[in-house]
Formats: sequence, C-alpha cells, structure tokens
Amino acid sequence: GAGVSQSPSNKVTEKGKDVELRCDPISGHTALYWYRQSLGQGLEFLIYFQGNSAPDKSGLPSDRFSAERTGGSVSTLTIQRTQQEDSAVYLCASSHRQGPVGEQYFGPGTRLTVT
Amino acid sequence: GQNIDQPTEMTATEGAIVQINCTYQTSGFNGLFWYQQHAGEAPTFLSYNVLDGLEEKGRFSSFLSRSKGYSYLLLKELQMKDSASYLCAVSDNQGGKLIFGQGTELSVKP
Repeated sequence: GAGVSQSPSNKVTEKGKDVELRCDPISGHTALYWYRQSLGQGLEFLIYFQGNSAPDKSGLPSDRFSAERTGGSVSTLTIQRTQQEDSAVYLCASSHRQGPVGEQYFGPGTRLTVT
Repeated sequence: GQNIDQPTEMTATEGAIVQINCTYQTSGFNGLFWYQQHAGEAPTFLSYNVLDGLEEKGRFSSFLSRSKGYSYLLLKELQMKDSASYLCAVSDNQGGKLIFGQGTELSVKP
C-alpha cells in the first residue's frame, strides 16, 4: 500500500524566504510526527499531532517554525524567514497506534537547502 | 536531560556477527526502537523492546535492560546490504515522540 509521502523532495531557498513542506501520512494513521536530520546528526523531534488533541510543539527550535494538520490527515510544516542553519532533511512519520507507543513509518524526507 | 549514546562507526566482515550498543538516559521510558537507514533513504523499523530481554527477528535481535539503561542490536550472518546507519531511539511517555541517538554507521566489508 501507499506509504508516507512528502513534497517537495528537494527545496533550495534563499535566506529570509518562507518555505512550506508537505506530508501525506498513511491513510488511517492518527499520529503524525515531524523530525529533522542535519548532516551527520541524529533525528531531532520537532512536533507531534495525535488525533484531535493539541499538538506537542516542544521540539520546535524557534517561533519561525510552525505546523498544522488539516482534517486529521495532511500536514504542512512552515519555516518563516529561513536561516542557513535550517538546512537539513525534514522527515515526516505516521503511526497507527492509539496508545502512546507505536511503530512510526517514515516518509522519504524533504532536503532543504538555504543559501 | 535526554541523552542517547551509540558508537559513531563500526566495521564488520561479511558473514560475521556485529553488536551495536546503545545507552540511554531519558526522563520517561515507553520503549526502545531500532531503525535502519540507508544513505539518502528514510529510516525503516527494525525492532521494539519495552520489557527486559531479547527479541529475535530473523538475522536481527535486540536486547533491553531497563535497569541499566542499555540496549543492543545484534546482526548475524552479515550481508553487504546491511551496510547502513542504525538508529537507537527511545519513546518517552509523552505521546510517543522518539528521541534518537546520532546513529551508528555500519560498514560491511567482503
């Protein structure tokens, strides 16, 4: 079946511009996560959505980062006034478990380069 | 604080066995995951441990000791395609977000 999809796969933007990254989770998955992976670094948690609950935004690095999830499905991660340190691969994952723990299925990621 | 440690790099020979260790200190614990990530690809799930002991799945096994904050991933009968980064991650008790280590880059040599 269809896995998690993300778009665009690559994005090059100038410093100071805003970018939007999109994630389509696996159908029926109630939980959706955003992570980012900088070169040579581990995955860093950004934000988590679970059903209709308020999202866990504890990993967002600054107020330039925001995310929304419409209709419990598609999610958009927005980075305003991008900086060079925002360059990374942004990964989205979804999970079908209702409980606090569930295997997370990752999308292919969006490689963001800020010049 | 949250801290997950694993070796940065390991090298092993095709057909051999390799053990990748992971130690963790987290404010909450709701299970430990191992993921495999080939270069340029998304991480894929390998194993999950929440109780102490060994979980075996084909050539891969994972062990957990909660009292020691320790886990390992054991790969048997190594194949060239096992060359990848292996990520240790802990699910904290706040909704299932994963806290990742930096990953262990495994190179399998002929």
